[in-house]
Amino acid sequence: DTGVSQDPRHKITKRGQNVTFRCDPISEHNRLYWYRQTLGQGPEFLTYFQNEAQLEKSRLLSDRFSAERPKGSFSTLEIQRTEQGDSAMYLCASSMGLEANYGYTFGSGTRLTVV
Amino acid sequence: AQSVSQHNHHVILSEAASLELGCNYSYGGTVNLFWYVQYPGQHLQLLLKYFSGDPLVKGIKGFEAEFIKSKFSFNLRKPSVQWSDTAEYFCAVKDDSGAGSYQLTFGKGTKLSVIP
Repeated sequence: DTGVSQDPRHKITKRGQNVTFRCDPISEHNRLYWYRQTLGQGPEFLTYFQNEAQLEKSRLLSDRFSAERPKGSFSTLEIQRTEQGDSAMYLCASSMGLEANYGYTFGSGTRLTVV
Repeated sequence: AQSVSQHNHHVILSEAASLELGCNYSYGGTVNLFWYVQYPGQHLQLLLKYFSGDPLVKGIKGFEAEFIKSKFSFNLRKPSVQWSDTAEYFCAVKDDSGAGSYQLTFGKGTKLSVIP
């Protein structure tokens, strides 16, 4: 297992279109997180899953955003009716609970450009 | 809400110089603290973390950080930088008060450029 995988690496879309990103966490990790990073900023928390349950959502996650983790393995993040302000790097991270021991492992991200 | 401040946006050092990157956070309760590094073209990687115990934490690649609770600080240090340390460094904090939040709050990052 080489780590957290995200697909696609880059996505260019027209304003108003829907996009979906996928994250495959490290296989034994039961916790999965989505973050967003814009230019010149640190990552900002979007949402958190423990197994298939979405336990925490940021106020940044407007009603155009939805995330799922149907079987407690991979996760998808969908953005409907994209806006130019959605342009950012979307990062996925996973952990095996006990962050004291393991920390969080991040993927390489999906860079979204809305034109 | 928590916030994390990283004092320097861009630091330029010559090889062998000593490094200290500042990080202050706003939350007064129990926290977990992290430093992540992002090398050019790569994903965020954990450098070191503090959860409890000895406030001087040693991480990978010769980095260390000191948690000073009274100053709400978690500064990153390295006695002698190398060109390969050129990267962006992010400080992050997690509320460990038991309120149930799992999110990390990140600072804006500090770009380190090391000149050979």
